[in-house]
Amino acid sequence: GESVGLHLPTLSVQEGDNSIINCAYSNSASDYFIWYKQESGKGPQFIIDIRSNMDKRQGQRVTVLLNKTVKHLSLQIAATQPGDSAVYFCAENRGPNSGYSTLTFGKGTMLLVSP
Amino acid sequence: GAGVSQSPSNKVTEKGKDVELRCDPISGHTALYWYRQSLGQGLEFLIYFQGNSAPDKSGLPSDRFSAERTGGSVSTLTIQRTQQEDSAVYLCASSLDGRRAFFGQGTRLTVV
Repeated sequence: GESVGLHLPTLSVQEGDNSIINCAYSNSASDYFIWYKQESGKGPQFIIDIRSNMDKRQGQRVTVLLNKTVKHLSLQIAATQPGDSAVYFCAENRGPNSGYSTLTFGKGTMLLVSP
Repeated sequence: GAGVSQSPSNKVTEKGKDVELRCDPISGHTALYWYRQSLGQGLEFLIYFQGNSAPDKSGLPSDRFSAERTGGSVSTLTIQRTQQEDSAVYLCASSLDGRRAFFGQGTRLTVV
């Protein structure tokens, strides 16, 4: 019979490299764009978010870039470590001033970091 | 508790039976979400509760699915007459600001 396999795009990097994970979004009305990390067997975990009126935000070893012209969001991870191996999801939502909305998740990208 | 708690962690049920999945959100969080995740797939939105507002049920796949949130806290997702395609991990999350959502470990549902 047909086996169930992974259908997520995969990014493979070496430890110490910088990683860039991309996401295209569709809803121009979103107020916030968020990145989540999901390790195997666990629920997603918040990494960083960016408000729609910003184009860049930095955290610890991570940077999120937002290009509203082409509706593109990216997550940059500096000096990638094996512990960064996980599935990364982008998400979007509307904030209180626009009438709250649910978090809508993208399809996800698997990041594999080799030592 | 410190985080979002879901129960049971695993549930095996026979096709046609009803199941109830429970979510205890973080105290004080006004937003509560239910998602479904199949193996190797993304998160499929099911339902969203925000404070006292009417829930957003637009993601429920059929009328066999329903959810309620009592007293703005605990939520129960009910699946009636379960089918094999309902097998998945059901994730609950809660949030205070709508952006930083805290997820539970999920309930793995297997319909045999």
